[in-house]
Amino acid sequence: GAGVSQSPSNKVTEKGKDVELRCDPISGHTALYWYRQSLGQGLEFLIYFQGNSAPDKSGLPSDRFSAERTGGSVSTLTIQRTQQEDSAVYLCASSTGQYNEKLFFGSGTQLSVL
Amino acid sequence: AQSVAQPEDQVNVAEGNPLTVKCTYSVSGNPYLFWYVQYPNRGLQFLLKYITGDNLVKGSYGFEAEFNKSQTSFHLKKPSALVSDSALYFCAVRDEKGSYIPTFGRGTSLIVHP
Repeated sequence: GAGVSQSPSNKVTEKGKDVELRCDPISGHTALYWYRQSLGQGLEFLIYFQGNSAPDKSGLPSDRFSAERTGGSVSTLTIQRTQQEDSAVYLCASSTGQYNEKLFFGSGTQLSVL
Repeated sequence: AQSVAQPEDQVNVAEGNPLTVKCTYSVSGNPYLFWYVQYPNRGLQFLLKYITGDNLVKGSYGFEAEFNKSQTSFHLKKPSALVSDSALYFCAVRDEKGSYIPTFGRGTSLIVHP
């Protein structure tokens, strides 16, 4: 595709359920980022993948959060036992991996935990 | 450590007037600075970046930003605002000697009144 694709665009779940969010980056982009956007909180970094290197998981808020990137392309962010404070927009971005290059963002997944 | 601050949650300007959205940063080495814009229900879109060279950087949609090393600032400017410029603006920074992960500000909501 022409841009970063995220699915679903909206997800409503019940507290305690697990959710999976998907990101399909721009073809050929080696770097992939997950951020979380909460009202009034700006963008909070979650996890970063670069090629075949071990991911940087330093932003994950708890062990309920995990992510994987299969085949250097599609990424899945999983939140286990969701809590109401997990409600936010989850944004995925990709880039060429060059140190000074811009990020291309998807439209995000709006997660609502009831 | 790297950080960025956007001191204004909201900026209001009349159509046709010049606009400024403020950003200050903190890094250990040289900064790589970016501005992104987010329209409602959309992901972030790249506007412009400063890596090195001229302190005045020109970007998309008539926006420009001025890098000021002594004041550690990278304010976004436009000579004549349009109603369609109304959106959420994010400043981001990477430390040249740091990780590949940009740190984003909290965002500034720009409202352009007709």
